[in-house]
Amino acid sequence: NAGVTQTPKFQVLKTGQSMTLQCAQDMNHEYMSWYRQDPGMGLRLIHYSVGAGITDQGEVPNGYNVSRSTTEDFPLRLLSAAPSQTSVYFCASSYSTGGREKLFFGSGTQLSVL
Amino acid sequence: AQTVTQSQPEMSVQEAETVTLSCTYDTSESNYYLFWYKQPPSRQMILVIRQEAYKQQNATENRFSVNFQKAAKSFSLKISDSQLGDTAMYFCAFMRDQGAQKLVFGQGTRLTINP
Repeated sequence: NAGVTQTPKFQVLKTGQSMTLQCAQDMNHEYMSWYRQDPGMGLRLIHYSVGAGITDQGEVPNGYNVSRSTTEDFPLRLLSAAPSQTSVYFCASSYSTGGREKLFFGSGTQLSVL
Repeated sequence: AQTVTQSQPEMSVQEAETVTLSCTYDTSESNYYLFWYKQPPSRQMILVIRQEAYKQQNATENRFSVNFQKAAKSFSLKISDSQLGDTAMYFCAFMRDQGAQKLVFGQGTRLTINP
C-alpha cells in the first residue's frame, strides 16, 4: 500500500515553461486536493476534486489547471510557470464519507521557477 | 471564510519540558474539525491530533493533548515530556464538517527542542 505518491520530488523550471506534477493514490479515495506551501505560511488549497470528472477551485487557483479522469490520479498542470509559483506542493486524499476528516498527504514536490 | 491564526512563529524549550502552542480560529460554523499537524525537516505532513467540535472532551494522544475552548475559538496543543524528535514545524488547521474536505491552515510555529 503506497498511499499518496507525488512525482517528481524536486523540479527546476524556467519562466514560461510548462510541466505537470503527478499525484496518485491507491486507497480508492474519492477526494483529492492540491496545496502549496510558501515560506512563513501554512498550506493553501489550490484545487480539489470530489470524484472522477469533478474538480473545483480552492483559495489560490490562478496559473494552475487540474483534471480527474480516474479515481487514482489527480495531476496539477502549470501551463506557463512564473517565479511566484516557486513553492512546495502537496497532494492529499481522503474518503468522502466515513473517515472524511482523515487526509493522507504525499511527501511533497519542491518546485523552483527561475 | 474561516481563518486560523498561530501567534507564535518560533518556540524553543529544553528536552523533557512541557510546551504549549497556541492557535485561534474564526468561523461561523457550529460543527467542524480542528487539527494539529507536524512537519519535520523531511517535509512530510504528519497528523498529531484531531478534535471534533461537537465533542467537549479534549483529545489526547500519548504525550500530546489539546485545550479546546469552543466559545473562545481557541485550540492549543500541549506537548509533555518533550523529546528531540518533536523538533518540527507545527500547523493548526480547520475543516468544516460539511462539504468538501478543505483544510485551512495557520502560519505555523517552529518548535525546537534543545538537549
